[in-house]
Amino acid sequence: GAVVSQHPSRVICKSGTSVKIECRSLDFQATTMFWYRQFPKQSLMLMATSNEGSKATYEQGVEKDKFLINHASLTLSTLTVTSAHPEDSSFYICSARDGSGGARETQYFGPGTRLLVL
Amino acid sequence: RKEVEQDPGPFNVPEGATVAFNCTYSNSASQSFFWYRQDCRKEPKLLMSVYSSGNEDGRFTAQLNRASQYISLLIRDSKLSDSATYLCVVSSTYGGSQGNLIFGKGTKLSVKP
Repeated sequence: GAVVSQHPSRVICKSGTSVKIECRSLDFQATTMFWYRQFPKQSLMLMATSNEGSKATYEQGVEKDKFLINHASLTLSTLTVTSAHPEDSSFYICSARDGSGGARETQYFGPGTRLLVL
Repeated sequence: RKEVEQDPGPFNVPEGATVAFNCTYSNSASQSFFWYRQDCRKEPKLLMSVYSSGNEDGRFTAQLNRASQYISLLIRDSKLSDSATYLCVVSSTYGGSQGNLIFGKGTKLSVKP
């Protein structure tokens, strides 16, 4: 199957700093990438949908100025958590949609980034 | 009402047992249905798509009942390696159009020797 990578896999930072997470599709072009967040014992919640070359679409309740998303190429999307606070500590997972289309939707998930804000 | 509801479990079963998970969804316009598997502290991985006619993949059988807005997953001859959290996932779109996946909280399965 298609491979999606995320970097870093784990990050610990101080409150008030910004953290950038990269999501790359390694063997296909992803016109659309999704960013999810998962708190302990909770379901994955979609934060935003990122389309290459255009502004991201944020879900209700997600602050676009706090979670900056850039999708500059067909293989890379970045999520920057600005001025991170302890409540932002979570498991951030990206997924990429294979732009070749097909009969069924297929999203390939990255391995996730575990963020801990002290 | 939550968009996708699942019994959180845990389901503790012995090796070789048959176990069934159920899921209900609230959006009648939902078009695509999936079961994902998520291991502890890992990303979810697609287990199988669910089709209206029902489908089987080895020991796994998925069923969809659109009238009842109900999805099921049956695992036969459980293996220790089946221990994981199983996520019911629904999407409002079909085919290659823009679509977001709505995840249930998952049902935890623990298979014991």
